[in-house]
Amino acid sequence: DTAVSQTPKYLVTQMGNDKSIKCEQNLGHDTMYWYKQDSKKFLKIMFSYNNKELIINETVPNRFSPKSPDKAHLNLHINSLELGDSAVYFCASSQEPTQQRRSETQYFGPGTRLLVL
Amino acid sequence: QQQVKQSPQSLIVQKGGISIINCAYENTAFDYFPWYQQFPGKGPALLIAIRPDVSEKKEGRFTISFNKSAKQFSLHIMDSQPGDSATYFCAAIGADSNYQLIWGAGTKLIIKP
Repeated sequence: DTAVSQTPKYLVTQMGNDKSIKCEQNLGHDTMYWYKQDSKKFLKIMFSYNNKELIINETVPNRFSPKSPDKAHLNLHINSLELGDSAVYFCASSQEPTQQRRSETQYFGPGTRLLVL
Repeated sequence: QQQVKQSPQSLIVQKGGISIINCAYENTAFDYFPWYQQFPGKGPALLIAIRPDVSEKKEGRFTISFNKSAKQFSLHIMDSQPGDSATYFCAAIGADSNYQLIWGAGTKLIIKP
């Protein structure tokens, strides 16, 4: 009964490859997120997506692209992987935070540990 | 102005002691302040949260103290236990952040038995 699941859990790949990470949530949420956590544990929001809007952190290279086949899924595609992409990637979901619902909790998946060699 | 500054970066506390993690913000439009707890190998999970209309919120051994005038808030863990060892993140949200969470840098807490 995992609320937010990600696959794969571990991903080891060569520089220059293209890879995808899948995320699924069964909480009925309408907003999903991708975060990157580096070795110093800093959490960086990469994307926020609901059925109305994709909000992109402008510092994210365009090699990264989110793709949402439906409300319950938000996959992350990464082209031309670089050494600096090595990190833990977390998917999260919540109800859309608004002025009336700013206290919406984000629920995180278990993370995908990406190592680029 | 969108930043949330968190300190210390790491903290070691003896079992039974009080752990204190501090956060400061600049944006007065922030109006909801959650704390997330992350155990090794897991994703962060909501621990406790506060709105700026109260100065303190307590849930079990965990307390948030909020100082609106100083634009600071802190997490206190009373009677700290080895099971509390984790990374703790403060965050803030408000109209100016387009209701996106703005995260602190995290504090790695180790409770020594």
